[in-house]
Amino acid sequence: KAGVTQTPRYLIKTRGQQVTLSCSPISGHRSVSWYQQTPGQGLQFLFEYFSETQRNKGNFPGRFSGRQFSNSRSEMNVSTLELGDSALYLCASSLGPSGMYNEQFFGPGTRLTVL
Amino acid sequence: DQQVKQNSPSLSVQEGRISILNCDYTNSMFDYFLWYKKYPAEGPTFLISISSIKDKNEDGRFTVFLNKSAKHLSLHIVPSQPGDSAVYFCAASAWEGSQGNLIFGKGTKLSVKP
Repeated sequence: KAGVTQTPRYLIKTRGQQVTLSCSPISGHRSVSWYQQTPGQGLQFLFEYFSETQRNKGNFPGRFSGRQFSNSRSEMNVSTLELGDSALYLCASSLGPSGMYNEQFFGPGTRLTVL
Repeated sequence: DQQVKQNSPSLSVQEGRISILNCDYTNSMFDYFLWYKKYPAEGPTFLISISSIKDKNEDGRFTVFLNKSAKHLSLHIVPSQPGDSAVYFCAASAWEGSQGNLIFGKGTKLSVKP
């Protein structure tokens, strides 16, 4: 069974631009979560989707948004990029309805650099 | 303010001995705790979890202990193996109304020496 895939793996953008990251969960998994990892703040939860609905949300500004499609694939969008948005963005999927209580499987991440 | 703290950035243990990784939290409303490990250049891997209604959960070499009165969580690895060398994160689920948030500690780097 294929793991969680994320595209692209690396991305360079400039301040003020917007970016869309994509995540394909493990087949059969309907819950997808997004995380931001930085050296200073560590791993931070962005949001979680289940059956195309955002179920849970971390403490990030509205510039960070996401969506989930009927095939469970998910996208994350960051608008008006700031230098501080440079990070590794991880996607995770779980078989259960929420990664809050169930094992999650993480993808390799997308490394975003904002110049 | 960190709600989930892993106060030891690193830990070194001899192969075959016990590794104890600690995690403290401040929010008494956390109702579920999870441990993940992460190798360099890979995404985190789930290890073990525990509900706040329990005080111990065991899975093979891994045991998690929860002390709610002390707001303290620990992960025991027995016996430790060199392949266990990784960064370990504890995480806690918190709810505000119907919205959940998963809060991670900053990790402890475990080195298991042969």
